[in-house]
Formats: sequence, C-alpha cells, structure tokens
Amino acid sequence: DVKVTQSSRYLVKRTGEKVFLECVQDMDHENMFWYRQDPGLGLRLIYFSYDVKMKEKGDIPEGYSVSREKKERFSLILESASTNQTSMYLCASRTVRGINYNEQFFGPGTRLTVL
Amino acid sequence: AQSVTQLDSQVPVFEEAPVELRCNYSSSVSVYLFWYVQYPNQGLQLLLKYLSGSTLVKGINGFEAEFNKSQTSFHLRKPSVHISDTAEYFCAVSESGGSNYKLTFGKGTLLTVNP
Repeated sequence: DVKVTQSSRYLVKRTGEKVFLECVQDMDHENMFWYRQDPGLGLRLIYFSYDVKMKEKGDIPEGYSVSREKKERFSLILESASTNQTSMYLCASRTVRGINYNEQFFGPGTRLTVL
Repeated sequence: AQSVTQLDSQVPVFEEAPVELRCNYSSSVSVYLFWYVQYPNQGLQLLLKYLSGSTLVKGINGFEAEFNKSQTSFHLRKPSVHISDTAEYFCAVSESGGSNYKLTFGKGTLLTVNP
C-alpha cells in the first residue's frame, strides 16, 4: 500500500514563528503536493514538486515556501506564521507511471493552529 | 482554466436509501475526473476515477459515477447507503494532457447518513 505520512497530526504555533511541516512517501513517487483545506473552500494547492529540487507555485503560495532535497520527502515552510494560516494541511504524492497514473495519494493531514 | 461545482454542500439521507452527489465541471480541454472521500480527521481517499473508456465507473464501497460529456457532469451514486458512508466527498478534475498534474477540487459535499 502507498503510504504518505505527515510529521504531526496537530500543531499549535505562535504568530511570527517559523513552522516546518514534513511529508514522507514510501512509493518512489515523482510528484508531491501541499494543499490547505478550509471549510467551504475545499482544497487549494499551495506548492507542487515535479521531482527532487524542482518546485512550482500553486494557487496560493504567498507566505509559504517548500523544500524537496530527497525524492521521498517534501517540506512546507511557513517563514513567519500568521493567524490566517490556521488550517488543515494535506500532503499528497503521485506517480506518472503504471496503473495508478494520475492518482494522488494523501496523507492524514496536519491541523495547524496559529495563536 | 478548469473549475468544479458541487451543487450541494450537505446531503442528509436515511440508512439504506439511495444517494446522488452532484458534480459539474468546466474545462476547455479533455479531462480526467475523480471522486475522493474524507472521513472525519483523516486524509482523502480515492473512491473512483474516470480517465477514458466506459463512462460508467465503479469504485470502492459500492459507489459508482457516470461521466456525461454533453452535460459536463460526473455525479456520484450509491443505491443503498450505510451509516459508515457518513463523510465529506470531493469531486476533482484535471486536464487529460499537458500540465495535467493539477487537480482542481470542488468545495465538498458532506453526506450524513442517519439511522
């Protein structure tokens, strides 16, 4: 089974702190994604990574950065957390080959609260 | 650009009743279509997907969906629901070629199955 894990299920941080959200996948997937999920808004793409050291902005990249130094790991960084970044953050991965082509596999999510 | 509209934000039904969750999309090119389910405090899980071929797609847990190109719809159905089907359901679309990494999600439909 494909497994996507996220470093924390719940996280509470203070305004202005630097926050790291970690995501690891164990299926050698090329693509990885970070979304945020807010009630009534669905999922919105923050950043996407085609492959190691490659990244592309999604629909709402402001206030976020990402890092992908190894294929299995994709980190989301909030340089200076703000209260409007309180949200559920979901990581996903995808292969571009085989029968699961184009299917995104999701982690359990990290619920971040910024006070 | 593509977009997804889920016409109902909440759908309450009784156990063993049939259910239909509606999804319409907009795109200027050919698309792939997906339905994901999110149980409380979990990540998203793929229910089914349409890539090509038969327009009637069967998924897990007894769900099915029909792709209707002329009506740009991809409605999800189940003939008899269980309490355990209570969850939020997301319809998503991606372009079938080119930059097809991007999944655009609808805002979700909360299905509540009552005894």
